[in-house]
Formats: sequence, C-alpha cells, structure tokens
Amino acid sequence: EVQLVESGGGLVQPGRSLRLSCTASGFTFGDYAMSWVRQAPGKGLEWVGFIRSKAYGGTTEYAASVKGRFTISRDDSKSIAYLQMNSLKTEDTAVYYCTRQNYGSGSSDYWGQGTLVTVSS
Amino acid sequence: DIQMTQSPSTLSASVGDRVTITCRASQSISSWLAWYQQKPGKAPKLLIYKASSLESGVPSRFSGSGSGTEFTLTISSLQPDDFATYYCQQYNSYPITFGQGTRLEIK
Repeated sequence: EVQLVESGGGLVQPGRSLRLSCTASGFTFGDYAMSWVRQAPGKGLEWVGFIRSKAYGGTTEYAASVKGRFTISRDDSKSIAYLQMNSLKTEDTAVYYCTRQNYGSGSSDYWGQGTLVTVSS
Repeated sequence: DIQMTQSPSTLSASVGDRVTITCRASQSISSWLAWYQQKPGKAPKLLIYKASSLESGVPSRFSGSGSGTEFTLTISSLQPDDFATYYCQQYNSYPITFGQGTRLEIK
C-alpha cells in the first residue's frame, strides 16, 4: 500500500526556517517525481514545487511565490522527500501536502495527510 | 502562468442529479488536466487525469472531457459521498496551477 507521511510542521516566527519531511512507503521511491502542494486555511490548493527522479536528472521546479526561499530535495536511500523553507512569511501559513507524481498520467496520484505550518510572531 | 477558472464556484444539487463542473484554461493545455476531490480536513483525491482517464478505483459515475482550453467534470448520478470540493489542475507547463475550486453542496 502506498503511503506518504509528512512531518516537521509547527509554529514558527516570521523570517525563521523549517524543514518538512515526506516519508514514503509501498513503492519504489526513486522511480517517482515528488511534489509539494499547500493549502492556506479556508483557501484553495497551491502548487509549491516538484523534484524529478534521478533518472530525469533530479532537477526541481518552484512556484514564483517560494522560489529562492524554498528548496526541495530527496534522499532515495531513505525514501524521503524534503521541503526546506527559509525566510518564512505569514502568508506561508498552510497545510503542506506531499504528493507522488505519476510519470505516466502526469498527475498527483497519491497524497499525504498534510502537515500544518503556522508562521506567526 | 496559465490561469485556471472553474465554474460555478458553488453548486447545489440533490442525490441522483447529474452535475457538470467546467474548467477553462487561459491558454491551450492539450489534455494535461486532472480533477481532484477534497473533503473537509482530508487530502485531495485524484479522480481524472489526462482530461478523460478515470483513475483506478474511482466510480464510473465520474467522467471528464475536453481538450485545449475547455474541460468538464460530470457526475452522472450524485451519491451522498460526492458532496465535496472539486479542483481542476493543469500540468501542461510550469508553474502547475489549480482552479479555485467548486464546492458541491446538498440542495
């Protein structure tokens, strides 16, 4: 059974950093691209970024709102994807979901349960 | 960036109704469109990918159509479990973008 479990969320002050983890199981993690999507309280879904599998270069793409502040990485030996968030702003407050990107369909076929990040002084 | 616009924002319907949600892209995205269902406090769930392909395990009452800039999600006969919020997503080009969501509520 495919499972994605996010961790690392919590309350953080503006300007500080936080790292989220997404631990995967039930599939060959290294074969898949992974994405992060966030949802501010009461709002819609916002794509944050994406990391390709090593077979496709392991490169990344980001939304303009986080580019230069957030970094996505992966450790295929541990089946973990990371979202390093620096210079956090109050508008980064959201539930953060990691998703498995299916190369065949191009869409996010599995989602984690999400982890809440609250940026507030 | 490609803008995705869903209509309506809210839809009131009854069990057994046939409902259609529309998603328009600001430029052509070929068939690179997905539909997701989200219930309160839960993660989104993939329903449709490549505009019209039904994800495994999703009931056949859900269907998707369209290409280019106009797409629809149709639920042929609403069931109680279908009352939720629905999002379209384009993945033709970066940044990936979502529609603003359509809340399907019980009439």
